[in-house]
Amino acid sequence: GAGVSQSPSNKVTEKGKDVELRCDPISGHTALYWYRQSLGQGLEFLIYFQGNSAPDKSGLPSDRFSAERTGGSVSTLTIQRTQQEDSAVYLCASSLLSFSPGETQYFGPGTRLLVL
Amino acid sequence: TQLLEQSPQFLSIQEGENLTVYCNSSSVFSSLQWYRQEPGEGPVLLVTVVTGGEVKKLKRLTFQFGDARKDSSLHITAAQPGDTGLYLCAGGGYNQGGKLIFGQGTELSVKP
Repeated sequence: GAGVSQSPSNKVTEKGKDVELRCDPISGHTALYWYRQSLGQGLEFLIYFQGNSAPDKSGLPSDRFSAERTGGSVSTLTIQRTQQEDSAVYLCASSLLSFSPGETQYFGPGTRLLVL
Repeated sequence: TQLLEQSPQFLSIQEGENLTVYCNSSSVFSSLQWYRQEPGEGPVLLVTVVTGGEVKKLKRLTFQFGDARKDSSLHITAAQPGDTGLYLCAGGGYNQGGKLIFGQGTELSVKP
């Protein structure tokens, strides 16, 4: 079975443009997470989907950021009117369940976003 | 705001040396996980500890969860160049609403 996949692997865009980042989680995983990682830093939580529940958007840094998850599977993170400070690696992870201590999150390879 | 403080942030050592990485918080976690991340890849889970005082060993790596479940350590014995990477601790549980709180990471470089 395939792991978590993300596309594109790299994205270069101009300031002010919109970008869409895609995540394909592991089949059957009900929880999906988006994180942002600046160079050599830890992971900053952005948003979390669990089944059919309303997503936890508490980590989104501004209203330029949004995400959706269609059919409980694929997710898209959209950044509108990109700024240079949005440059980072955007990581997606999925897990079988959530709210379970020790639940393993499986990460994709990330999308490296560079805003010029 | 729940935070996990990791130290040191950077560590450069010679092959064969021992090292310890620390992860501390004022919050209690149901579980504490350690991940390793190599350049260009996502983090990969090394271990999960869920019981206060728990010690787990993975070959030359020893992980410990503090008695109060607020802190953890990772000890590597006789480090090898293949251990080079970014080590991340992450705390989670019901108090964190299903999310993982990550530390800033420790960038380890082991020179031959």
